[in-house]
Amino acid sequence: SQKIEQNSEALNIQEGKTATLTCNYTNYSPAYLQWYRQDPGRGPVFLLLIRENEKEKRKERLKVTFDTTLKQSLFHITASQPADSATYLCALGNAGNNRKLIWGLGTSLAVNP
Amino acid sequence: GAVVSQHPSWVICKSGTSVKIECRSLDFQATTMFWYRQFPKQSLMLMATSNEGSKATYEQGVEKDKFLINHASLTLSTLTVTSAHPEDSSFYICSARTPPRAGVDIQYFGAGTRLSVL
Repeated sequence: SQKIEQNSEALNIQEGKTATLTCNYTNYSPAYLQWYRQDPGRGPVFLLLIRENEKEKRKERLKVTFDTTLKQSLFHITASQPADSATYLCALGNAGNNRKLIWGLGTSLAVNP
Repeated sequence: GAVVSQHPSWVICKSGTSVKIECRSLDFQATTMFWYRQFPKQSLMLMATSNEGSKATYEQGVEKDKFLINHASLTLSTLTVTSAHPEDSSFYICSARTPPRAGVDIQYFGAGTRLSVL
């Protein structure tokens, strides 16, 4: 069955460092991959989308890579700030499957001042 | 960016009563909306896909008579939890899908509704 794995452990980093979150998947060939941020008690907020034919996408301090051979996406936050502390979810999408997204469990990130 | 409003954000009800949750896309038309349920420290669990003007498509294991979905317009979908019981207590989140561009669409989420059934 389709499976997505994200860093199971919470990630704690020091302010100013780069946070790197991992999203691995199996038994699936997504056409695109999305990253969302979710704060406690709130709905997810869309951050970035990367297509299968793109290697890298950037948006301000965020960078996403997508390796369809490794079946992996990396999500980087550079110059991290305490305000970046949240749970980050990856989701895979395809033109088929009624275009439903398949969601990872999320990785909790804490940026310490 | 696209804005999705979900109301109420928090509701407490007695066992046996019904609760309605509204999801509105404020600045775009959403032919498709999704309803999710999320347990603490768990991922989003898709409950159903709501299509404007047609019946919702429910995921396996989700009782359609328990969770009634109505998508009467391009900007509004409602989820009604009928005869709620304590086990229905959860965090319910809706999302609205933007019209697809080049085979890709993005879901924009409401803020979620915390339901507590006593």
